[in-house]
Amino acid sequence: DAGVTQSPTHLIKTRGQQVTLRCSPKSGHDTVSWYQQALGQGPQFIFQYYEEEERQRGNFPDRFSGHQFPNYSSELNVNALLLGDSALYLCASSRGAGTANEKLFFGSGTQLSVL
Amino acid sequence: ILNVEQSPQSLHVQEGDSTNFTCSFPSSNFYALHWYRWETAKSPEALFVMTLNGDEKKKGRISATLNTKEGYSYLYIKGSQPEDSATYLCAGRGGTSYGKLTFGQGTILTVHP
Repeated sequence: DAGVTQSPTHLIKTRGQQVTLRCSPKSGHDTVSWYQQALGQGPQFIFQYYEEEERQRGNFPDRFSGHQFPNYSSELNVNALLLGDSALYLCASSRGAGTANEKLFFGSGTQLSVL
Repeated sequence: ILNVEQSPQSLHVQEGDSTNFTCSFPSSNFYALHWYRWETAKSPEALFVMTLNGDEKKKGRISATLNTKEGYSYLYIKGSQPEDSATYLCAGRGGTSYGKLTFGQGTILTVHP
């Protein structure tokens, strides 16, 4: 049973470019959340997708957008990259609409470097 | 939940020592508290999810307690082993936040043989 998979593992971009990160959730999971982890900080919530819609969004600008496909996989898009977008991007999956005891299953992350 | 804080930021212990970390969160609008272990070059892995005041969870040598009235959770490791070396993250979830978790900055534990 494959867990959460993310691609690519590493990515180098320059300022102003656009990037797409991909995530496949754990089998049986229908909810995908994206987190950004900058150096020395805990993961910060970007947004969550459920039933192909953005259900909740953290404090991130509109440059950050996403999508969920019918097979529950998800993409995170970042436009007009800034140096400050350099971080580890984590995808996490879970089941259902956020029940209290539902733990998250994380992927290994995509390390994005913006030069 | 707006702000979750963890202490200490890092901890060095000897093999066999017992240790504990603290996670603090606002007691209002509390819904659930998660603990994750994150080993280097791996994915964060869930240890515990707790929702009720007074909850105690145990997994092998690791246990956790929850006090929602005063807004804190403790994670205990008994007889630390080098393989326990990892970053331990706690995350809070508020009552109206669907699945959004607010993470602390983590406690980095290093267990020396």
